[in-house]
Amino acid sequence: EIVLTQSPGTLSLSPGERATLSCRASQSSSNSLAWYQQKPGQAPRLLIYGASSRATGIPDRFSGSGSGTDFTLTISRLGPEDFAVYYCQQYGSSPFTFGPGTKVDIK
Amino acid sequence: EVQLVESGGGLVQPGGSLRLSCAASGFTFSTYSMNWVRQAPGKGLEWVSYISSSSSTIYYTDSVKGRFTISRDNAKNSLYLQMNSLRDDDTAVYYCARSAFFQWYFDYWGQGTLVTVSS
Repeated sequence: EIVLTQSPGTLSLSPGERATLSCRASQSSSNSLAWYQQKPGQAPRLLIYGASSRATGIPDRFSGSGSGTDFTLTISRLGPEDFAVYYCQQYGSSPFTFGPGTKVDIK
Repeated sequence: EVQLVESGGGLVQPGGSLRLSCAASGFTFSTYSMNWVRQAPGKGLEWVSYISSSSSTIYYTDSVKGRFTISRDNAKNSLYLQMNSLRDDDTAVYYCARSAFFQWYFDYWGQGTLVTVSS
């Protein structure tokens, strides 16, 4: 089973700032890595797939990078609607594991 | 518009059973693989089970193997999760999620149904 680690656990930033979230895999998942955003009381929403491809309707301030075992989600300028929990997920092999999440909250 | 609507959650005693359903609309259900993903209260996401479009391939996470059964009825555009021998740690919101076409990430999610296992 591929174990995903996300850092930091919590990121406290102000609107307009840049957010950099990390996801590390215990073994290579190639580029089979997705990012999801979840707000309280809502279902997760797909942001990024294939490590760097934006899902339909996702603003270009969201970008993904990385391959193998190290991946990054960057939000170039935080909007008020971007404060949420972000999860990475590997889908290179079953079980399709998620990371524990990074909470981005308002400083 | 893609819609996934879960139902069937509720309160059940440890050792009991429950059957979840997910009604799909807005896309050709029979051509997409589907999944169940759960989230315990205040916790992260956990993938539970996968079923291919024709039901020929099925996967489970280890903690539910032998207790949960995923199935689908393409004629009814519906996905199911039969949950038996339920335990306290199965308490969670259960989401139905569509796999992207020929991919294994999840592009659409339902709003979830809460399963509470408690005596």
